[in-house]
Amino acid sequence: GAVVSQHPSWVICKSGTSVKIECRSLDFQATTMFWYRQFPKQSLMLMATSNEGSKATYEQGVEKDKFLINHASLTLSTLTVTSAHPEDSSFYICSAGRDSPRTDTQYFGPGTRLTVL
Amino acid sequence: QKEVEQNSGPLSVPEGAIASLNCTYSDRGSQSFFWYRQYSGKSPELIMFIYSNGDKEDGRFTAQLNKASQYVSLLIRDSQPSDSATYLCAVISAGNQFYFGTGTSLTVIP
Repeated sequence: GAVVSQHPSWVICKSGTSVKIECRSLDFQATTMFWYRQFPKQSLMLMATSNEGSKATYEQGVEKDKFLINHASLTLSTLTVTSAHPEDSSFYICSAGRDSPRTDTQYFGPGTRLTVL
Repeated sequence: QKEVEQNSGPLSVPEGAIASLNCTYSDRGSQSFFWYRQYSGKSPELIMFIYSNGDKEDGRFTAQLNKASQYVSLLIRDSQPSDSATYLCAVISAGNQFYFGTGTSLTVIP
C-alpha cells in the first residue's frame, strides 16, 4: 500500500514556541509532498507544496517565514510552525504522491492536531 | 467560480439505500478525478480515482465521469452507517494543480 506517516499525532504547546511536524512516506519515494491545514468543520486548505531538494511553493496568504518547510529526502518533509499562536491551532495534514497507479494520486498522512495555549 | 464545487449537504439516506454524491469542476482540461472519504477528526483516505469517461466500479462504490458536462459523481450502494462521513471530490487541473471540493457530509440512518 501507500503509507504516509506523521509525527507527532498531536501536540500541545505554549504560545511563542516552535513546533516541528514530520511527514514520511514509508513504502515509496515522494518527490513532492503537500501540506494542508484544516480548521474544525471546514475544508482542507492547501498551505504549500514541498519539493525534494528545492524550496517549497507556498499558497497565497501563507507566511513562508512562519511555516518553514524542509524536504530533505525523498521520504521526509517537515513543517515547522515558528512562534506558534493560538490562532495556529489546527489539524495539519500532509500528503504524498506515489507512482502507482499514477504519480498524481495523493495519499494522506493521519494528521497532526496542534493546540497552542 | 471555484475550481471544484460540491453540495455541502448534509445528505441523509436510510441504511441500504443508494447515496449519490455529486461534484462539478471548472477546468475543462482536467484529466484526473478522485473521491476521498474523511471521518470526523481523521485525515482523508482515497476511495476511488477515475480518468476516463463512464463508470468505474469498486465494490459498493461507483464513480461516474462525464467530461463533456464537467461532472463527476460517486454512488454508494447498500449504504451502511459506517459510510457516514464527509466525501471530498478532488480534481487535477490542466495546469497540474490539485483542487479539493469543500466536501459533502453524508449521514446513513440505521
